[in-house]
Amino acid sequence: EPEVTQTPSHQVTQMGQEVILRCVPISNHLYFYWYRQILGQKVEFLVSFYNNEISEKSEIFDDQFSVERPDGSNFTLKIRSTKLEDSAMYFCASSSPKLDPSYEQYFGPGTRLTVT
Amino acid sequence: EDQVTQSPEALRLQEGESSSLNCSYTVSGLRGLFWYRQDPGKGPEFLFTLYSAGEEKEKERLKATLTKKESFLHITAPKPEDSATYLCAVNFGNEKLTFGTGTRLTIIP
Repeated sequence: EPEVTQTPSHQVTQMGQEVILRCVPISNHLYFYWYRQILGQKVEFLVSFYNNEISEKSEIFDDQFSVERPDGSNFTLKIRSTKLEDSAMYFCASSSPKLDPSYEQYFGPGTRLTVT
Repeated sequence: EDQVTQSPEALRLQEGESSSLNCSYTVSGLRGLFWYRQDPGKGPEFLFTLYSAGEEKEKERLKATLTKKESFLHITAPKPEDSATYLCAVNFGNEKLTFGTGTRLTIIP
């Protein structure tokens, strides 16, 4: 069964450093997302990506964040200068082989980011 | 602001004891309601999609229903392996999912 994969599973970085989180969405999906979950809190939307551009982003997704689909399979989230409050689980998701974003989203296993 | 509220926050049941989890949402152009299961340290695992009031979906011991303002996840004769956090998420007409805080379900053998 196709699944979303993410690497690394755990990333430890120092405050101010740049990190890149990587995802391979389900191959025939057209919509890609990043969410985060701070420990003990709910899953929060960061950004959606369709047709090689950002289609929607939240207030959390400020200039420190960027996303890219560098080739036909990978989808990345970059945090330019990490802060302590960026520590969270980051989930990649993908949905919909059709031009309809209301389909269910399939999530990856997550990357635990720890900023020290 | 579009909101999703889940109750109860936590639920402990004896093995075999059936119950229901609730998800209520602000009524503003619902395009889809989704139930997920999340195990500790893992990503949300898709369970069900509901699009319109009156719709029901079933999978093993789980059944999801939808009305105009809330959804229920019914669990029948649960087993210890059903222990997890159950998340409700809503698409309010854009591309993102708005999640509730989840119900942490524990099934005691």
